[in-house]
Amino acid sequence: EPEVTQTPSHQVTQMGQEVILRCVPISNHLYFYWYRQILGQKVEFLVSFYNNEISEKSEIFDDQFSVERPDGSNFTLKIRSTKLEDSAMYFCASKGKGYTGELFFGEGSRLTVL
Amino acid sequence: GQSLEQPSEVTAVEGAIVQINCTYQTSGFYGLSWYQQHDGGAPTFLSYNALDGLEETGRFSSFLSRSDSYGYLLLQELQMKDSASYFCAVSANSGAGSYQLTFGKGTKLSVIP
Repeated sequence: EPEVTQTPSHQVTQMGQEVILRCVPISNHLYFYWYRQILGQKVEFLVSFYNNEISEKSEIFDDQFSVERPDGSNFTLKIRSTKLEDSAMYFCASKGKGYTGELFFGEGSRLTVL
Repeated sequence: GQSLEQPSEVTAVEGAIVQINCTYQTSGFYGLSWYQQHDGGAPTFLSYNALDGLEETGRFSSFLSRSDSYGYLLLQELQMKDSASYFCAVSANSGAGSYQLTFGKGTKLSVIP
């Protein structure tokens, strides 16, 4: 069964460092998303991406964040100058055509900023 | 923007039935989804309602009333493995032509023997 894969599963970084979280969406999907979940809290929307550009971003997704689809398979989230409050689980998700309410989530990348 | 309300915690006995309610406020509404998330895991899709009424998938059913901006998830014959967090999520057109899924804060279901 097709799945969304994310790497790394866990990354520990020092405050102020840059991190890149990687995702391989399901191959025939067209819409890609990043969400984050601070421990014990809800899943929060960061950004959606379609047709090689950002289609929408939340207030959380400020200039510290960027996304890129560098090739036909990868979808990356870059966080510059990490802060303690960036510590969270970051989920990548993808969606095919149509409105079915279903996003396919990866297993997440846990980011710990020290 | 969107807002969703659901209870923070529910406890139920194994074998029983539990209903998790969700109310929402949004514009550009497409439908209401439900996701299950076990501790440390990814959200996994359970069901989706775009039209009023009940959708049944095995032990799980989901209901939507668009006029009341209300839905619920019904879990029957509860099993211990159903202990998880359950999120309702609104699919909406944000106005920028983008399809966005906004999650509620989640309901932590504890199933006890």
